[in-house]
Amino acid sequence: AQSVTQLDSQVPVFEEAPVELRCNYSSSVSVYLFWYVQYPNQGLQLLLKYLSGSTLVKGINGFEAEFNKSQTSFHLRKPSVHISDTAEYFCAVSDRDFGNEKLTFGTGTRLTIIP
Amino acid sequence: EAGVAQSPRYKIIEKRQSVAFWCNPISGHATLYWYQQILGQGPKLLIQFQNNGVVDDSQLPKDRFSAERLKGVDSTLKIQPAKLEDSAVYLCASSPVQASYSYEQYFGPGTRLTVT
Repeated sequence: AQSVTQLDSQVPVFEEAPVELRCNYSSSVSVYLFWYVQYPNQGLQLLLKYLSGSTLVKGINGFEAEFNKSQTSFHLRKPSVHISDTAEYFCAVSDRDFGNEKLTFGTGTRLTIIP
Repeated sequence: EAGVAQSPRYKIIEKRQSVAFWCNPISGHATLYWYQQILGQGPKLLIQFQNNGVVDDSQLPKDRFSAERLKGVDSTLKIQPAKLEDSAVYLCASSPVQASYSYEQYFGPGTRLTVT
């Protein structure tokens, strides 16, 4: 069975400072990895995904993440945050199983940007 | 392109009452998902449809929850009778068949259910 651990439930960051949101996963098989963002009162939006190839993945809004197989991690980073980045961020994992795109989500990290 | 539509956006009911949520996926998307997101937790998959067939409903509490996707388009999720622990946001998502290669799901805004 898969599981996702987001170690930080809340992360406050000053505007224009860098941020890293941590994600570790557990799975007995190869996986696909995702980061989704949820703005207040909205559904989830895909930020980026790792399916194969380069372990450094770039997404929307200046975010990037690095897949580290040995550490089973997929941390999300942004070099300079903006007020508009205030949101809940979810890491998710899916088995490499064609036809079964079941996502298992972490508990989320609430990112708060301090002006 | 219109996104995933859900209604109602908010619903308050008393325990033991019934409630139904509606989802209209993105046009042409074959796969539809219902998730339950309890406050402070990540979304949990309840059921996945491929066209109008069920792919995975292993986490659906079948004694009280039911879902259908007639004609492989719209879907309805029903709870009967509701319990206090059903208070959550119910998210609907869809993806095209080709998403099996991209694994991208498109989410609706959700329905916030409060059971009192």
